[in-house]
Amino acid sequence: IVMTQSPATLSVSPGERATLSCRASQSVSSNLAWYQQKPGQAPRLLIYGPSTRATDIPARFSGSGSGTEFTLTISSLQSEDFAVYYCQQYNKWPLTFGGGTKVEIK
Amino acid sequence: EVQLVESGGGLVQPGGSLRLSCAASGFTFSSYWMNWVRQAPGKGLEWLANIKQDGSDKNYVDSVKGRFTISRDNAKNSLYLQMNSLRAEDTAVYYCARRQSPGWLFDYWGQGSLVTVSS
Repeated sequence: IVMTQSPATLSVSPGERATLSCRASQSVSSNLAWYQQKPGQAPRLLIYGPSTRATDIPARFSGSGSGTEFTLTISSLQSEDFAVYYCQQYNKWPLTFGGGTKVEIK
Repeated sequence: EVQLVESGGGLVQPGGSLRLSCAASGFTFSSYWMNWVRQAPGKGLEWLANIKQDGSDKNYVDSVKGRFTISRDNAKNSLYLQMNSLRAEDTAVYYCARRQSPGWLFDYWGQGSLVTVSS
């Protein structure tokens, strides 16, 4: 299953809302997760299922969608949220990730 | 505190072999499926392989099937990835990651180990 994320880069000012998209080439039901990766660090699980926040993830992060269309929303961007975000489907083998969306400071 | 620490990366020539290790601590290692995921420089993430708690079931992505072998030693709380017939396109940071069930997602990751395949 090919996962396509858009946009590739999103320029947002601190305090603004960011909306990231992930599209699957076929239905993945609700089996979709989001990860955040900062430079030089491992990915961190943010959201799965596709709207359940992982442990210690702030409420400003939310996920939605089902089937082939998914959205990650960051309601009010903080300085620590500027990073690359990846979606991952876990509905079918092999597990696959999207190409990522880089959220940068505007 | 859950910790995963990879080691064994480095520079290897095309066609060569390398064995990565991942030392786990802070959780009951033998109770979890474990995975390897890699990231080529400046690129996205690619899931490679996973292994069941007792090692009886393993899955691989097609691009490494027949060349890479995942294994584990629960007595040593360690995960391994034996990589043979390495190619330039295998150059990447290799992460071990713990499965969060239900589902096939990854709740803890190591810091990664860089493998460079070059002559």
